[in-house]
Amino acid sequence: QVQLVQSGAEVKRPGASVRVSCKASGYSFTDCLIHWVRQAPGQGLEWLGWINPDGGATNRAQKFQGRVTMTSDTSISTAYMELSRLTSDDTAVFYCARKKDSTYDIWGQGTMVTVSS
Amino acid sequence: DIVLTQSPLSLPVTPGEPASISCRSSQSLLYTDGKNYLDWYLQKPGQSPKLLIYLGSNRASGVPDRFSGSGSGTDFTLKISRVEAEDVGVYYCMQALQAETFGQGTKLEIK
Repeated sequence: QVQLVQSGAEVKRPGASVRVSCKASGYSFTDCLIHWVRQAPGQGLEWLGWINPDGGATNRAQKFQGRVTMTSDTSISTAYMELSRLTSDDTAVFYCARKKDSTYDIWGQGTMVTVSS
Repeated sequence: DIVLTQSPLSLPVTPGEPASISCRSSQSLLYTDGKNYLDWYLQKPGQSPKLLIYLGSNRASGVPDRFSGSGSGTDFTLKISRVEAEDVGVYYCMQALQAETFGQGTKLEIK
């Protein structure tokens, strides 16, 4: 079946970087954009950006310009999101989601990233 | 950025009763192709969000027909005709017209 499986939980120190992976299966990986969304504890959803696995084009939310890098490896149908210069405000669950037509029809299970000294 | 404002933020409902959530946008979400780029998602406790309604009024595959979406331009509504216990969670509207943004979320609970 179509699914996105994300990497496991991470604990990072302030100032460090974190990379989250999102492995797609059950469909042609290059057919759809992969978006990244995060959710701080008890808070709402915040869009970070997207990557087009077919060619690697990306678009990031203004807030994360210069701090988020999105890449993909089509040989293993996996997208990556790296967030640098972490602070405690970056503690959140990070989700990848497939964008098909105009909607997020498939979501990953989420990856908890904790930033703590 | 387009700002989405949901109301109410908390919605206690008796099972079997209807429920309604409003989502207002700071800009029109009606594109030149005639489609409204507004979706509704439900996030149940401990789970990832799940698509309910896309393009304002289209039910996603497998979504019960007690859920319906309506509206156009800047005003949208999600309605549940008869709330069931499994409908608890946080409902989000999301605009996909430009640089996706989400509403604050509406927490539906059972009375």
